[in-house]
This record gives sequence, C-alpha cells and structure tokens, in this order.
Amino acid sequence: EPEVTQTPSHQVTQMGQEVILRCVPISNHLYFYWYRQILGQKVEFLVSFYNNEISEKSEIFDDQFSVERPDGSNFTLKIRSTKLEDSAMYFCASSESGGPPETQYFGPGTRLLVL
Amino acid sequence: AQSVSQHNHHVILSEAASLELGCNYSYGGTVNLFWYVQYPGQHLQLLLKYFSGDPLVKGIKGFEAEFIKSKFSFNLRKPSVQWSDTAEYFCAVSQRLQTGANNLFFGTGTRLTVIP
Repeated sequence: EPEVTQTPSHQVTQMGQEVILRCVPISNHLYFYWYRQILGQKVEFLVSFYNNEISEKSEIFDDQFSVERPDGSNFTLKIRSTKLEDSAMYFCASSESGGPPETQYFGPGTRLLVL
Repeated sequence: AQSVSQHNHHVILSEAASLELGCNYSYGGTVNLFWYVQYPGQHLQLLLKYFSGDPLVKGIKGFEAEFIKSKFSFNLRKPSVQWSDTAEYFCAVSQRLQTGANNLFFGTGTRLTVIP
C-alpha cells in the first residue's frame, strides 16, 4: 500500500538555524498538507498546497515558514530561523483531488527539537 | 473557527470491555468528521469518516461512530476492545474549501490503554 514518507525522522537544531523537512506524498495525490503537534498538545493545521500554490494557511504559518514542491515527488517545509517554540512533531499528509472529502494519508512525522 | 473537544484524555480498559470515546465539535455548517488512530511509534491512520448519509459509520477493526447533529457529537465506539487497540485516538473535523483542500481540525486526542 502506498505511504507518505518523511525525512528525517528526527532533527535537532540550534535556535536561529534554518531547517527543511521533507515529505514524499503518495504519487497520484494532488493535495498536500503540513500539520504540527507540540508535545502534549493537539495536532494543528499549518498549510495546504495544491497546484503549486498555497491553498490555505493558519496563523501559525507566518513568514518564517515556506513550502515548496521542488520536483514531481518532494514536498518540503522550510523554517527560516527556528525558535524554541518550533519544537514539535511535524506531519505531512496528502490526499487525492476532487470529489467528496478525501482521506488524508499521514506520514510518520519528523520530530524537530530546537535548542 | 472550528474547535474539537475530546473530553477523555486517558482511558484505561480491560480486554473485552466496551469503549466509547467522546468527540464534540463547534461549527454550525456542514462538516466532515473523522477519527484517526496513532499506534505507538506509528503514523496517524484513518479509522473512519463521515460526510453524508447514514449517521452510523463503520470503520476498520470493528470501530464505529455515530454522528448526532443535534448534539454536535461524533463519538467512537467499539463493543469489545483488544490489547492491540492500545493507541492514541484523534477526532477531527473539516469543512470543504473552494480550493478543494480539507484542512483538518483535531481534538487533543484520547490515549487508550487496554490491559490484557
């Protein structure tokens, strides 16, 4: 069964550094999402992406964040200058296009720790 | 903005006990409702979803959920739990956007521990 994959599984970085989290969505999916979960808190929506542009973003997704689909397979989340409060588990998800509400398939997550 | 409430943070049950996890949402319009499960060390997986039709939805592994519009609820049930059901369970709500994207709003999750 196709799966969403994410790399790295863990990332430790210093405050102020840039990080890029990578995701490979399921190949025939056209909608891509990033969510995050701060330890002990709920999973929060960050951004959705379709047709090479952002569809929707939350207030969390400020100018420090950006997303990109650099090629036909990868979907990346970049944090330009990490802050301590960016420490969280980041989940990528993807879904097929159109029709009734589509199931979002989640990746295993990247645990980001900002020191 | 939508919000999702899961009132049970941690539920501990013995095998064969019945399970009901509560989920309430706040949104007056048309919503799509989901339950996701996260087994230890694994990623979020869809258990079941509701978007129209029969309000009683059956999912994988013997789980079901009932959408009660008047109560803004979508409670998850299983008549007899197994040790392998030990996991974190997340209720989520979405509304379909013009772009087609379905941004999910999650509850805080309920940790279920099943004792053999």
